[in-house]
Amino acid sequence: AQSVTQLDSQVPVFEEAPVELRCNYSSSVSVYLFWYVQYPNQGLQLLLKYLSGSTLVKGINGFEAEFNKSQTSFHLRKPSVHISDTAEYFCAVTYSSASKIIFGSGTRLSIRP
Amino acid sequence: EAGVAQSPRYKIIEKRQSVAFWCNPISGHATLYWYQQILGQGPKLLIQFQNNGVVDDSQLPKDRFSAERLKGVDSTLKIQPAKLEDSAVYLCASSLGTSNTGELFFGEGSRLTVL
Repeated sequence: AQSVTQLDSQVPVFEEAPVELRCNYSSSVSVYLFWYVQYPNQGLQLLLKYLSGSTLVKGINGFEAEFNKSQTSFHLRKPSVHISDTAEYFCAVTYSSASKIIFGSGTRLSIRP
Repeated sequence: EAGVAQSPRYKIIEKRQSVAFWCNPISGHATLYWYQQILGQGPKLLIQFQNNGVVDDSQLPKDRFSAERLKGVDSTLKIQPAKLEDSAVYLCASSLGTSNTGELFFGEGSRLTVL
């Protein structure tokens, strides 16, 4: 079955420390991957997406993610987090342009000063 | 550019009552989505429209949920009768094109509490 798994429900980190939020998806011939962020009391917004090409994708606010086909992963990283990065992060996948988008259960990133 | 508008932001009802949520997508966006987000879970697609036609409603509990997108613009999601397990945030999103590889723009959501 098509699915996406976010292994960590919560990730606490200190300000200016690096962070990695993990995402794994069920394997398929084709896959399109996304990371969305939801700041408190706001709607989800797109951070970055992988459709094809370079496996390292850069997004807004200094985030990047790497598509790893052999490990079926699409982990999100930031080298140095800021208090303003406090939010919930959702990994999402679709297996074709016509297939529905499936969201993971989310990872809550909390930044400690 | 105005974003996706949803109303009401909050609604509290008793079980077996009915409720309706409204969504106005970004102007010109062809595709409109309704998601249900239960606390602690990711958004789950309820229904997807392209213009005013339904593309996917496989996870919509059709015995109690209904949705329409008349004239291919705004949309209404109705629940009748509501159950306790319907307590969730109902998210509306829209995208410019008809491909699911495009960016989704989300509204702030409508939080439903069923007592």
